[in-house]
Amino acid sequence: KAGVTQTPRYLIKTRGQQVTLSCSPISGHRSVSWYQQTPGQGLQFLFEYFSETQRNKGNFPGRFSGRQFSNSRSEMNVSTLELGDSALYLCASSLATGVPGNEQFFGPGTRLTVL
Amino acid sequence: AQTVTQSQPEMSVQEAETVTLSCTYDTSESDYYLFWYKQPPSRQMILVIRQEAYKQQNATENRFSVNFQKAAKSFSLKISDSQLGDAAMYFCAYRDQTGANNLFFGTGTRLTVIP
Repeated sequence: KAGVTQTPRYLIKTRGQQVTLSCSPISGHRSVSWYQQTPGQGLQFLFEYFSETQRNKGNFPGRFSGRQFSNSRSEMNVSTLELGDSALYLCASSLATGVPGNEQFFGPGTRLTVL
Repeated sequence: AQTVTQSQPEMSVQEAETVTLSCTYDTSESDYYLFWYKQPPSRQMILVIRQEAYKQQNATENRFSVNFQKAAKSFSLKISDSQLGDAAMYFCAYRDQTGANNLFFGTGTRLTVIP
C-alpha cells in the first residue's frame, strides 16, 4: 500500500506570494492533518480535515487555510508569505478522527523556503 | 493547552548499549494517549510506540519500551541494544481523549549512535 505523498517536496517563494501544498493520504484514510515544523517552534498542528470538513484548527493566522476533496486528498494554502513561514510542512493521514488510539502516518513533507 | 517537554536536546549511545530519552507533559485530563515518534534524517516520521494513559502496563515494541509514570506525568523511552539505524530525532507527543488528530509535540531529542 502506498504511503502518504506530498507534493512538491521543495518550494522556494518570495515574501508576499502565496503557495499551495498538496497531500495524498494512504488509500482508505479519510483524515488528513497538517503540521508545521521549524527549528524554533518545533512541530505545531495547523488543522485537520475529515470528510471534506475542517474538524480541528491550531493557533495559526487566517493566512493559513486548507481544504479536502472527496477523494480525501488535501491541500493547504498560505497567502501573503512571510519569512517566518519557512518550514517543513508535514501532513499525516489516518483512518478516522475521534479515535484516540488511531495511528497517524506522516508524509515526507514539503520544505518551503521564503526569500 | 497541553505542553510536552523533552529536556534532552541531544543524546548519544554506543552501539548495542541502552539509552533512555525523557519526556514530561502537563495535562488536567485523566485519559489520553502518548506517543514516541522517530524522524530519521531526511526521512519520514514513523511511530515507535504508543501508550494509553488508562493502561498501567508499560508498552513494549521489540527493543523499544516506555516507562510511564502517570502521577509524575512522565513518559520516557528506553531503547535497548541500540543500532546505527536508531539514529534520528525522537519526538514525544500527546493526544487528548477526544481522539482529535492533533498531536502536541515536544521539541525533540537528537539521538546519535556511536559505532
